[in-house]
Amino acid sequence: TQLLEQSPQFLSIQEGENLTVYCNSSSVFSSLQWYRQEPGEGPVLLVTVVTGGEVKKLKRLTFQFGDARKDSSLHITAAQPGDTGLYLCAGAARGGADGLTFGKGTHLIIQP
Amino acid sequence: DVKVTQSSRYLVKRTGEKVFLECVQDMDHENMFWYRQDPGLGLRLIYFSYDVKMKEKGDIPEGYSVSREKKERFSLILESASTNQTSMYLCASVVAGGPFGETQYFGPGTRLLVL
Repeated sequence: TQLLEQSPQFLSIQEGENLTVYCNSSSVFSSLQWYRQEPGEGPVLLVTVVTGGEVKKLKRLTFQFGDARKDSSLHITAAQPGDTGLYLCAGAARGGADGLTFGKGTHLIIQP
Repeated sequence: DVKVTQSSRYLVKRTGEKVFLECVQDMDHENMFWYRQDPGLGLRLIYFSYDVKMKEKGDIPEGYSVSREKKERFSLILESASTNQTSMYLCASVVAGGPFGETQYFGPGTRLLVL
C-alpha cells in the first residue's frame, strides 16, 4: 500500500505570512495532485504535477514535484483569509485509474 | 462544467438498515470511485469501477458493496449499516485512458450518521 505523509496537519498563521505544506512518500507516483476542500463540500482540484522537478504556479500558490516523483510541496505567498481550507495531496499510481492515494490533509487557517 | 451529484447531502440511518448512496456524473466518464473521509484518516478508497457492471475493491471494502448498472451512475450500498460507518462519503469520476493523473471530479459528499 502506498502512503502519503502530509505535514503539517494543522497550521494557523496571520494574513500576509508565507507557508509551505509538504507531502512525502517512499513510493513513486506517476503524478501528484493537490486539492482544496471547503467544509461540507467535495475536494476541488488545484493542480496536477507530472514531471519530476516540475514547478507550477497558480497565482500566489507554487507547487513543486520532487525530482524522484516521491514528494511534493505547496507554497503559499502572502496568505489571505480566503486561502483557509483543507489542502489534500493525492498520488496517482496509474494515471489515477485505480483511484488516488490521499494524504491526511493540512487544515489551514489564515487569520485576518 | 463537469458535474458529479450525490443523492443526499445528509442521511441519518439506524444500525442494521440497508443504505443506498447514489452518485451520478454527466461527463460520460468510464471510471468512478467511492471514498470515505474521516478526521485523522483522510480519504480512503472503498470501491471503484472501470465500466458498467465492473467493480474493483479499494482499500477498505468490508461492509460495503457497489452497483454500476449504467455508465453514469455508481451506487454504494451498506447492506447492514453500523455505527462505524458514520462518515463523509465522497464519489468521484475520471475519464479513462489518460497517461497521467487525470482530474478526479468529486461530488459534494454525503454525510451519513448511523445511530
